[in-house]
Amino acid sequence: KQEVTQIPAALSVPEGENLVLNCSFTDSAIYNLQWFRQDPGKGLTSLLLIQSSQREQTSGRLNASLDKSSGRSTLYIAASQPGDSATYLCAVGGANSKLTFGKGITLSVRP
Amino acid sequence: DVKVTQSSRYLVKRTGEKVFLECVQDMDHENMFWYRQDPGLGLRLIYFSYDVKMKEKGDIPEGYSVSREKKERFSLILESASTNQTSMYLCASSLDAGAGNEQFFGPGTRLTVL
Repeated sequence: KQEVTQIPAALSVPEGENLVLNCSFTDSAIYNLQWFRQDPGKGLTSLLLIQSSQREQTSGRLNASLDKSSGRSTLYIAASQPGDSATYLCAVGGANSKLTFGKGITLSVRP
Repeated sequence: DVKVTQSSRYLVKRTGEKVFLECVQDMDHENMFWYRQDPGLGLRLIYFSYDVKMKEKGDIPEGYSVSREKKERFSLILESASTNQTSMYLCASSLDAGAGNEQFFGPGTRLTVL
């Protein structure tokens, strides 16, 4: 059974810092990996989708990488801003588009 | 842009009531999903559907049923609500059953069962 781990559970950084959020998974036979953002009390917003054949994806200040063989993904956020404060969830895609989620990392960016 | 909407943002029901949570997507997606999200447990899949009138159990289907009579609408039904079903419920959709499709989520329904 696929397990997805995100450590640490919470992170606090000063504004302007570049940061890396980590995600690990136990079964490397994945179809894709998706990073989401969730604001308190809200739904999930898709940030980046990496297909199993890809190594990375970029959108603005965000860059996500995927290393299937080692069961790892990272989300890099450049020049962090207070508006980046949210919970970031990693989810691994299996058959029938089913996702297995990590428990998320709650990021706080201090002004 | 894909839009997934859920019928209520907040809902308060009493134990034993029958509860309907509705989800609608506007992008002709074949797959639809219902999750619940609880502190410390993360998101867990309740049911999903890959076509009209088709459904499959997820990881925690007990106490729930679903209905998909039209492609754009997927309903989650709590036959007899219980307090342990107090949770955030999230609906999602994706294009089809092909590998690698992105999931898009609705805003969530916060259900409280008293």
